[in-house]
Amino acid sequence: GAGVSQTPSNKVTEKGKYVELRCDPISGHTALYWYRQSLGQGPEFLIYFQGTGAADDSGLPNDRFFAVRPEGSVSTLKIQRTERGDSAVYLCASSSTPGNTEAFFGQGTRLTVV
Amino acid sequence: GQQLNQSPQSMFIQEGEDVSMNCTSSSIFNTWLWYKQEPGEGPVLLIALYKAGELTSNGRLTAQFGITRKDSFLNISASIPSDVGIYFCAGPGGTSYGKLTFGQGTILTVHP
Repeated sequence: GAGVSQTPSNKVTEKGKYVELRCDPISGHTALYWYRQSLGQGPEFLIYFQGTGAADDSGLPNDRFFAVRPEGSVSTLKIQRTERGDSAVYLCASSSTPGNTEAFFGQGTRLTVV
Repeated sequence: GQQLNQSPQSMFIQEGEDVSMNCTSSSIFNTWLWYKQEPGEGPVLLIALYKAGELTSNGRLTAQFGITRKDSFLNISASIPSDVGIYFCAGPGGTSYGKLTFGQGTILTVHP
């Protein structure tokens, strides 16, 4: 596609539920990133994929968070047993090569846990 | 870990004025990126800097990579209302190519 696409754009869920957030990167981009942005803050790194594998998952806050990219294109961020503190905008970005820091961001998914 | 500090935190200016903002790091960066974010959107890359001392322009925007490699500056000349948004500096964090560290942002408001 023309840009990074994220779905849904908004998600409201109850505490304790499971959610999946989807990211469709720019066609041909091999590197994909997930970030989390809390209100009034800059984006914070979660995980980085190079192809199908997670090259760096050091930003995932705990084992309730997991992400996959099974075919090297679309990625899904999965959050189990959601907590109110998980409420944030989840941003996905992609870049043409792993060494290219010029990443292009999607519009984000606003997750609200009530 | 690496931290980026942006100043000022917010700016309220009149249309037509010039704007300057900066970003400082606790450690040396080899790349500096400047992003702009508007409400409900993801950050959009404005300028990328790769060499100490480099000065790069993109229209009315000019950014510089500080000589010490621990700071960067963004200037906007002749501001217009559509310049409103949050401006973030960012740089590669740690040894992972994909991991960007962002500053906390400078909120720019332009009064017509």
